[in-house]
Amino acid sequence: EVQLVESGGGLVKPGGSLRLSCAASGFNFNTYGMAWVRQARGKGLEWVASITSSSRYTAYSDSVKGRFTISRDNTKNSLFLQMDSLRAEDAAVYYCARKALTGDAWGNFDSWGQGTLVTVSS
Amino acid sequence: QLALNQSPSAAASLGAPVNLTCIVSSGHMLYAIAWHQQRPEKGLRYLMKVFSNGTYSRGDGIPDRFSGSSSGAERFLRISRLRAEDEAEYHCQTWGPGIWVFGGGTKLTVL
Repeated sequence: EVQLVESGGGLVKPGGSLRLSCAASGFNFNTYGMAWVRQARGKGLEWVASITSSSRYTAYSDSVKGRFTISRDNTKNSLFLQMDSLRAEDAAVYYCARKALTGDAWGNFDSWGQGTLVTVSS
Repeated sequence: QLALNQSPSAAASLGAPVNLTCIVSSGHMLYAIAWHQQRPEKGLRYLMKVFSNGTYSRGDGIPDRFSGSSSGAERFLRISRLRAEDEAEYHCQTWGPGIWVFGGGTKLTVL
């Protein structure tokens, strides 16, 4: 069974940093692209960042580019999101998602974690 | 600019069918989309991928009450024989080189 378990969320002050982790199990982690998606309270889903299976390519939404860094450790079946210079508008539940195997770097997500809450407030 | 448009809400009766719509932005009519279901306390679940030619591919374990179709820029999720547990938020998603986009979500109420 595919499992994605996020951790690392919490309360942080504006301008602060936080590192999210996602522990993957139940599939060959090193063959799948991965992504982070967030959902602010009462809002829809917003794609944040993606990374290919080998970490060769990364992509970021304009709203986080230059502040967030996605990375992975295939030896530990783990995905990370380093969030710096956090703003109030970054407050959301952050989900780890697996990109379906589609033969290219893009494509839909086909598995989700349960999310971790990030609160940005002074 | 790649974008998806969904109605904020929909409602249908228990046991009846319902069609949810996701509209792909102009210039992107050949793009496939994916549907995801979000239920309170159950989290997010991938339902299916819907192609511009009208074919679709359900995710693992998704019942055949759920189906997909397309017409022009519109991508549909059809749920036949609605059950109480189908009450949820439904999100559509599309993608392109280096970008992923979600619609605003449709809250489905089962009457």
